[in-house]
Amino acid sequence: GAGVSQSPSNKVTEKGKDVELRCDPISGHTALYWYRQSLGQGLEFLIYFQGNSAPDKSGLPSDRFSAERTGGSVSTLTIQRTQQEDSAVYLCASSSEGPTQYFGPGTRLLVL
Amino acid sequence: GQQLNQSPQSMFIQEGEDVSMNCTSSSIFNTWLWYKQDPGEGPVLLIALYKAGELTSNGRLTAQFGITRKDSFLNISASIPSDVGIYFCAGQGSTSYGKLTFGQGTILTVHP
Repeated sequence: GAGVSQSPSNKVTEKGKDVELRCDPISGHTALYWYRQSLGQGLEFLIYFQGNSAPDKSGLPSDRFSAERTGGSVSTLTIQRTQQEDSAVYLCASSSEGPTQYFGPGTRLLVL
Repeated sequence: GQQLNQSPQSMFIQEGEDVSMNCTSSSIFNTWLWYKQDPGEGPVLLIALYKAGELTSNGRLTAQFGITRKDSFLNISASIPSDVGIYFCAGQGSTSYGKLTFGQGTILTVHP
């Protein structure tokens, strides 16, 4: 597609359940990023994939959070045993060369 | 870690007025980016700045990369109702390749 796509657009889950969020980057972009945005806040870096290199996981808030990027394209962010404080908008971005990142529309996660 | 201070946090202006917002960093950045986020959407890139002192325009928007490399500003001239949204600055430092640090955002409201 022309832009970054994310699915689902909205997700409501119960505390303790696992969730998977998907990101399809712009075709040909080698770098993929995940961010978290809490209500009324800025963007919090979570994880960064660059080509075949080991991902930079320095922003993941706990070991309940993990992400994979298969075939250098699609990425899945998994949150295990969700907590209410995990409720946020999860944004994915991709880039080709350089630092300019292009964002998807986000997945709005609500943990009840 | 790197800190970005964005101000003002919010602005309420009349249509036709000019707007100015800025970001300051605790450390030197190599790149400054300005994004706009509409409700329910991901951030959209407005302007990218790659060199200290650079002044770049995009329609009614003008942004500058401060010569100290620790600050940037965004001006919007002759505001219109569709300028409403949240504006974020983001910067990339020399030691954090691929990772952007985001400001807290400026919420802009334009009264017709």
